[in-house]
Amino acid sequence: AQSVTQLDSQVPVFEEAPVELRCNYSSSVSVYLFWYVQYPNQGLQLLLKYLSGSTLVESINGFEAEFNKSQTSFHLRKPSVHISDTAEYFCAVSRNTGFQKLVFGTGTRLLVSP
Amino acid sequence: GAGVSQSPRYKVAKRGQDVALRCDPISGHVSLFWYQQALGQGPEFLTYFQNEAQLDKSGLPSDRFFAERPEGSVSTLKIQRTQQEDSAVYLCASSLRQGRDQPQHFGDGTRLSIL
Repeated sequence: AQSVTQLDSQVPVFEEAPVELRCNYSSSVSVYLFWYVQYPNQGLQLLLKYLSGSTLVESINGFEAEFNKSQTSFHLRKPSVHISDTAEYFCAVSRNTGFQKLVFGTGTRLLVSP
Repeated sequence: GAGVSQSPRYKVAKRGQDVALRCDPISGHVSLFWYQQALGQGPEFLTYFQNEAQLDKSGLPSDRFFAERPEGSVSTLKIQRTQQEDSAVYLCASSLRQGRDQPQHFGDGTRLSIL
C-alpha cells in the first residue's frame, strides 16, 4: 500500500517570495508521483507528474518538483509566487502497474498575500 | 463538453434518504474513478471502472454505497440510507485509458450535506 504525508497544512507567504511545499511518501512498490492544485469549489487540476527519467519535473506556470528516491520525497517549489497561486495543493502517488488509483495527502493550503 | 461534468453540484438530504450522484466523463474516456473528499482532507479512492466493468470497489465504505456505469460512459454513485458521516465532496475523474501517460481529469464535484 502507498501513503502520502504533507506535513504543512498551511503555508503563508508574501507575493514574489519563494515557496516549498513538502511531500513525503511511503510505498513497497515503485510509484508515480503527482501534484494537483484545487481552487475553491473546483475539482483538482494536475500540476505536474513524475513517471520516470529526469528527477526534476516542471510545470508551465513556474512550479517544479524533484523526486528524491532516497528520501522518499517529492517537494514542490516555486521561486516567486503570485497572488493567483493561492489554492490547496495535494501530493499524490499511484503504483506504476495496473490502473493508477491515486492516493492523496491531506493537502497544503498556500496563502499568498501582497 | 470539454471536461468532466458532475451533477448536482450541491445536494442536501435528510439522514436516511437515498441519493444519486451523476458523472459525465470526457467523451471517449475509458477509465472512470470516484473519490470522496471529506472536509479538510485529501480525496480518497472509492471505485474504478474500465468501460462498464467495475474493476475495483475496495474503497466503498459500506454496502450502502453502490456505483454503476452500465453503458461505459455516464456513471452514477448511489448512497442508500444516508448518514451524517456521508457528508463530503464526491469527485469523479476520467482518463482516456489505463496507462502511465494518461492523467486523470477531475470534475468539480458534488458537495453532499446530510442533515
